[in-house]
Amino acid sequence: SQQGEEDPQALSIQEGENATMNCSYKTSINNLQWYRQNSGRGLVHLILIRSNEREKHSGRLRVTLDTSKKSSSLLITASRAADTASYFCATDKDSSYKLIFGSGTRLLVRP
Amino acid sequence: EAQVTQNPRYLITVTGKKLTVTCSQNMNHEYMSWYRQDPGLGLRQIYYSMNVEVTDKGDVPEGYKVSRKEKRNFPLILESPSPNQTSLYFCASSPRPTGVDTQYFGPGTRLTVL
Repeated sequence: SQQGEEDPQALSIQEGENATMNCSYKTSINNLQWYRQNSGRGLVHLILIRSNEREKHSGRLRVTLDTSKKSSSLLITASRAADTASYFCATDKDSSYKLIFGSGTRLLVRP
Repeated sequence: EAQVTQNPRYLITVTGKKLTVTCSQNMNHEYMSWYRQDPGLGLRQIYYSMNVEVTDKGDVPEGYKVSRKEKRNFPLILESPSPNQTSLYFCASSPRPTGVDTQYFGPGTRLTVL
């Protein structure tokens, strides 16, 4: 079952622009995580935001969480070609031992 | 270097021929998981382990087995592979429960079952 659904499925922007990706989920959560995956490679953890947090920053990344709307967004500012990757949100839907991933947003940053 | 390793990285096999994909981590993590990734479906958790000799099913455990005899190793076993198990497989580990902490992923194993 998929808990998180990312939107859009694909995004193409020019280098230097900001990229915003959204994630919606269906049931209550304790934590929401964002991961990046370069083509065919393992996932890399970006940020974890807890349900009692509304916003978190890490470098050029900004994550927001709205538990009333069951949604989160990932903003990448001043994008670079190296940011080209797929981005996934993941939530702990049923238990802290399980992680449910969305289907991802494919981001292309054009030089 | 802290890492999760998987072997083999690529495997082509035939239906019914038992295979094992190994996973090893050198970070002394208690929690380990296996995922499969299919186009349009994201990653789905197959099995997870909370410690040595403690494992449990994820969302898609059918057709897979795991074991955790040592803390660092968490092999994935396909007793009788079928074509619908053709997929990209990832092993991951974390110091605390999967949903509450950073997971460290291996490089992936691309499996094709003919």
